[in-house]
Amino acid sequence: QSALTQPASVSGSPGQSITISCTGTSSDVGGHNSVSWYQQHPGKAPKVIIYDVSMRPSGVSNRFSGSKSGNTASLTISGLQAEDESDYYCISYTTSHSWVFGGGTKLTVL
Amino acid sequence: QVQLVESGGGLVKPGGSLRLSCAASGFPFNDHYMSWVRQAPGKGLEYVSYISSRSTYTNYADSVKGRFTISRDNAKNSLYLQMTSLSHDDTAVYYCVRRGQPTLTFDYWGQGILVTVSS
Repeated sequence: QSALTQPASVSGSPGQSITISCTGTSSDVGGHNSVSWYQQHPGKAPKVIIYDVSMRPSGVSNRFSGSKSGNTASLTISGLQAEDESDYYCISYTTSHSWVFGGGTKLTVL
Repeated sequence: QVQLVESGGGLVKPGGSLRLSCAASGFPFNDHYMSWVRQAPGKGLEYVSYISSRSTYTNYADSVKGRFTISRDNAKNSLYLQMTSLSHDDTAVYYCVRRGQPTLTFDYWGQGILVTVSS
């Protein structure tokens, strides 16, 4: 199973919005609504911020939103804040009952 | 609250074996699928394996198939990963991860345990 494709890095200024894409195939992102997004700060465990494409766990800021179109899922962060600077990963369940991960995106808040 | 605490990591020589453990608490362990996910130094996350709630189903990434074995003991609220024929490429932080219900999301992660394969 090939990894999901994410941009290696994105950047934005405080207050702006950014979008991170996650491209897979019809066997994963396109074939399932079980796409989730994780935030990982250096030296810390990942934390889920979006699940089932667009659902937000309790306690996660509504500045984080998710969507999907075809084989590509997207994470949008609005009103960028310095604390959003982190690594972000997408994960999708697959039609072969396994998981495939994105390579990760480093978000820099300028 | 949900807690996942890994143990058993450390330094091992190439070709060696190691067994990781994960002690779970704060939730009905026998209701949840569990997984191992790893992260090599400076690299991204990599799926390793999962096991169903009653150990009926297991699944492995191609990179570890035939070398790693996942298991669990629901009576002890514990998850395990037996790793054999270790190579430098297996050097990573290994995370114990809970799969949520009814979603297929990795909703809780342990803090991770470092496994270093080096001579």
